[in-house]
Amino acid sequence: AQKVTQAQTEISVVEKEDVTLDCVYETRDTTYYLFWYKQPPSGELVFLIRRNSFDEQNEISGRYSWNFQKSTSSFNFTITASQVVDSAVYFCALTGGSSNTGKLIFGQGTTLQVKP
Amino acid sequence: DAEITQSPRHKITETGRQVTLACHQTWNHNNMFWYRQDLGHGLRLIHYSYGVHDTNKGEVSDGYSVSRSNTEDLPLTLESAASSQTSVYFCASSESRAGGYEQYFGPGTRLTVT
Repeated sequence: AQKVTQAQTEISVVEKEDVTLDCVYETRDTTYYLFWYKQPPSGELVFLIRRNSFDEQNEISGRYSWNFQKSTSSFNFTITASQVVDSAVYFCALTGGSSNTGKLIFGQGTTLQVKP
Repeated sequence: DAEITQSPRHKITETGRQVTLACHQTWNHNNMFWYRQDLGHGLRLIHYSYGVHDTNKGEVSDGYSVSRSNTEDLPLTLESAASSQTSVYFCASSESRAGGYEQYFGPGTRLTVT
């Protein structure tokens, strides 16, 4: 069975601090995809990144970076120099490539609060 | 611009009533999904469809049904609303059932069952 665990329920930081959101996944598929979504206080879900299981290169996009490690089944998300606008709920999600269903399995979400 | 819309955005209903939540997308995507969001559970899949006249049960399908008569719409029906179905409901669509395609989400419907 596939599973995504985000052990951090809530994180609170002060603006300009770096913060890492953890994501651990379980799957038996050899081909799979991992995603991060952001849900700001307005409630919509915003796609941030997709990573496939064959690409372990870290990715950086501005202040955001992602560390994918198959050896530890983790796909962690780091925000550098956090800003108040980063306050949101962040979801990690998984979909299996071999089953080809396109269904997303979500983690429980991590609520990030960035204080000024 | 293509989009995915949901209506109503907020709904209050009584236990036992039938409720239908609408989802409409203009992406021309074959795949559509319904999720519910509850604190501590993230988003959980209710039903999904890969095309017209195709529907499938998700993780938490009991008490819900869907029908797909065209590409654009996937309405979600609560046959007899229960307080346990108080939640925020999200509709999503994607281009392909292959795993690598992100899903585009609607703005959500907040449903309260009293």
